[in-house]
Amino acid sequence: EAGVAQSPRYKIIEKRQSVAFWCNPISGHATLYWYQQILGQGPKLLIQFQNNGVVDDSQLPKDRFSAERLKGVDSTLKIQPAKLEDSAVYLCASSFIPGFQYFGPGTRLTVL
Amino acid sequence: SQQGEEDPQALSIQEGENATMNCSYKTSINNLQWYRQNSGRGLVHLILIRSNEREKHSGRLRVTLDTSKKSSSLLITASRAADTASYFCATDQRGSNDYKLSFGAGTTVTVRA
Repeated sequence: EAGVAQSPRYKIIEKRQSVAFWCNPISGHATLYWYQQILGQGPKLLIQFQNNGVVDDSQLPKDRFSAERLKGVDSTLKIQPAKLEDSAVYLCASSFIPGFQYFGPGTRLTVL
Repeated sequence: SQQGEEDPQALSIQEGENATMNCSYKTSINNLQWYRQNSGRGLVHLILIRSNEREKHSGRLRVTLDTSKKSSSLLITASRAADTASYFCATDQRGSNDYKLSFGAGTTVTVRA
């Protein structure tokens, strides 16, 4: 089966610019997660969707981050405006069996 | 905040040796999972152990869970160069019905040829 797809794989922007990441989960997976992984740390959950509804966005910095999952399939995560501390790998994961997540390759963001 | 904490932070071993890493967590859990992350890649699920299980095997991997001590260990036997990666434990907290995972900071394992 095809895995979780993410694009782009790499992105370099200057601070205060905007950026968007895209995720296509495994077909049939109702739950989708976005994580932020700063270098040297474990992934931190930003937002969790169940179909097209938000289950948890308590860790999402809502003043600059937004995410949507239209039609309960693909999802986009946006940062506007970016700060230096947003440099990280952004991981998307999806699951069918609760608690068992499949991860995409991630998008490495560098903010200069 | 991250619930799990791995120990050691880094580990360097010779090919063929065993590698052991530990994970401690704070709150009661439904299950605990171990993931591997190769440099620049996404996370790959290795093994899941439920709170009512004490030990689980998968190939060269052996995981133990001690809920009384709130700790788990991952043993990789007969290590290979391809095992070089970061290893993370992730906990699914008991009582939560949204199946969020909390990850530790990981153990970086280097297997020398």
